[in-house]
Amino acid sequence: SAVISQKPSRDICQRGTSLTIQCQVDSQVTMMFWYRQQPGQSLTLIATANQGSEATYESGFVIDKFPISRPNLTFSTLTVSNMSPEDSSIYLCSVEDLGSLLYNEQFFGPGTRLTVL
Amino acid sequence: GQQLNQSPQSMFIQEGEDVSMNCTSSSIFNTWLWYKQDPGEGPVLLIALYKAGELTSNGRLTAQFGITRKDSFLNISASIPSDVGIYFCAGQGTSGSRLTFGEGTQLTVNP
Repeated sequence: SAVISQKPSRDICQRGTSLTIQCQVDSQVTMMFWYRQQPGQSLTLIATANQGSEATYESGFVIDKFPISRPNLTFSTLTVSNMSPEDSSIYLCSVEDLGSLLYNEQFFGPGTRLTVL
Repeated sequence: GQQLNQSPQSMFIQEGEDVSMNCTSSSIFNTWLWYKQDPGEGPVLLIALYKAGELTSNGRLTAQFGITRKDSFLNISASIPSDVGIYFCAGQGTSGSRLTFGEGTQLTVNP
């Protein structure tokens, strides 16, 4: 499976500021996703990060609030903009490589724990 | 939208006991996945199921893909303290598409 790292692992931020989270994979992957996990909750997909084009956002998530970049097949960033305490969550990067395999699996990074004061 | 109902929400068991948890969906999935999440970590994939009726084992873990493609269960046999964590089921429609997650089962194992 791919090795996925995220930076930062955690941060405490002031409301109104923005934070950019990085996701790095040790091999080229087809798909990269960003999920949010609010305290004590399950995971919810924010968007699919598309290489070379705008990300595809899920209902309830918008580009102005969560701009995403994916400049190549191993790297993506998620920015949480104009933060409020409600944005306090764990943000998780996941990857899936469609490749030449018949079956594919989605793997997760370690997450970024964000606290907004 | 698609929803997954995962049960039970929490379990408190003694070391050595067997555990069973399940997920049901209002719609069909082509892939079912089971993840475990430890505190402060990302989910780790335990088992992936790709065919209706498929029964797959990974050590003490056994999972099945329901014949209707709308449900799955995970069994853990002879539980040990390191089994503690939150277990999530997830359904996927097609390869490369989003995962829909259950609400999780918090497992506590008493030594």
